[in-house]
Amino acid sequence: AQKITQTQPGMFVQEKEAVTLDCTYDTSDPSYGLFWYKQPSSGEMIFLIYQGSYDQQNATEGRYSLNFQKARKSANLVISASQLGDSAMYFCAMRDGYNTDKLIFGTGTRLQVFP
Amino acid sequence: DVKVTQSSRYLVKRTGEKVFLECVQDMDHENMFWYRQDPGLGLRLIYFSYDVKMKEKGDIPEGYSVSREKKERFSLILESASTNQTSMYLCASSADRDGNSPLHFGNGTRLTVT
Repeated sequence: AQKITQTQPGMFVQEKEAVTLDCTYDTSDPSYGLFWYKQPSSGEMIFLIYQGSYDQQNATEGRYSLNFQKARKSANLVISASQLGDSAMYFCAMRDGYNTDKLIFGTGTRLQVFP
Repeated sequence: DVKVTQSSRYLVKRTGEKVFLECVQDMDHENMFWYRQDPGLGLRLIYFSYDVKMKEKGDIPEGYSVSREKKERFSLILESASTNQTSMYLCASSADRDGNSPLHFGNGTRLTVT
């Protein structure tokens, strides 16, 4: 069965610095997809970035990049030039099987950006 | 932009009440999902639906049921609310089942059962 692990319950970073949020996964499927979501205190889940298991390059979206290391089964989110508005919960998620949009989620990391 | 609307932001219900959580999406998406979110547990899938009148159990369906009479609307029903169902409930939709499409979430309903 698929599993997502986020081992950092909380992280602190200073404004303008980069931060890496860890995510490891476990799956026996040869094809899979990995997602990162942001959840501010308002509660909405905001999609940030997607990485497919066969993508040749690491995904990037603006200040977000995904450090995808397939052999290590890790998909860490890197946020560059942190802003105060980046303070939120961050969830790593994986497609739960083949031909489905169901996602399984990790337990999340709370990021706090300080001035 | 996809909009997923959950009818209530906060709800307080009593033990034993029947509770309806409503979710509507405006992008003609085929797939809809209900998750609950609890601290330290992340999001867990309760039920999902790939078509009208179709429903499938997720990982934690016990104590819940769902209804999808129209494509845009997916309702979560707590037949007899219990205190252990106090949680944040998140509805989501997606366009297809290729696995590359992100889920689009509503703002959540924070349910308290007393």
